[in-house]
Amino acid sequence: DGGITQSPKYLFRKEGQNVTLSCEQNLNHDAMYWYRQDPGQGLRLIYYSQIVNDFQKGDIAEGYSVSREKKESFPLTVTSAQKNPTAFYLCASRNRGRSYGYTFGSGTRLTVV
Amino acid sequence: AQSVTQPDIHITVSEGASLELRCNYSYGATPYLFWYVQSPGQGLQLLLKYFSGDTLVQGIKGFEAEFKRSQSSFNLRKPSVHWSDAAEYFCAVPVNAGGTSYGKLTFGQGTILTVHP
Repeated sequence: DGGITQSPKYLFRKEGQNVTLSCEQNLNHDAMYWYRQDPGQGLRLIYYSQIVNDFQKGDIAEGYSVSREKKESFPLTVTSAQKNPTAFYLCASRNRGRSYGYTFGSGTRLTVV
Repeated sequence: AQSVTQPDIHITVSEGASLELRCNYSYGATPYLFWYVQSPGQGLQLLLKYFSGDTLVQGIKGFEAEFKRSQSSFNLRKPSVHWSDAAEYFCAVPVNAGGTSYGKLTFGQGTILTVHP
């Protein structure tokens, strides 16, 4: 079945370390997105990509980086510059057009220890 | 920028009771509007969406929502809640509600639904 796979589901990081969250989709979707979720704040957009080798900053990109070398993959790196990285991270994808029908992954919970 | 507000952070209902979750949006013209549901530790699932036309929209799992321009609202309803409906619900609108926004969505703060037996 087609879908989005995020891994790992739980991730622990020491302060000062970079960590990469994986997001892979086999839906043949063009666009992919990374959102951060904190309790009571909804979802906030970190980065998005409309096509391969192109991506744009969202509302809270500081301390994060991404790449889009393949259509299927959109990894997110949380760098040591991110001041408060403990959160739930959600990856989503959709076909370009007007439908806005996102497909979400099941998320990665990152905890800084 | 367009925005949505969910006034209720937490709602508790009894199983079998009716449910209404509120969502207010800010946009001058008719926006696209969405409701998503999230079970604990999971991703979001689309319940329903409104683009234009009939203001009463039917979704999955027995949910419906009504677009009311006069009240700038898009409230989610269900006539009889089941225990499995306990989850967090998000209202969303495209960042540029009527034009190109590259699919970016702005989400409300979410409403947590608790269902008592």
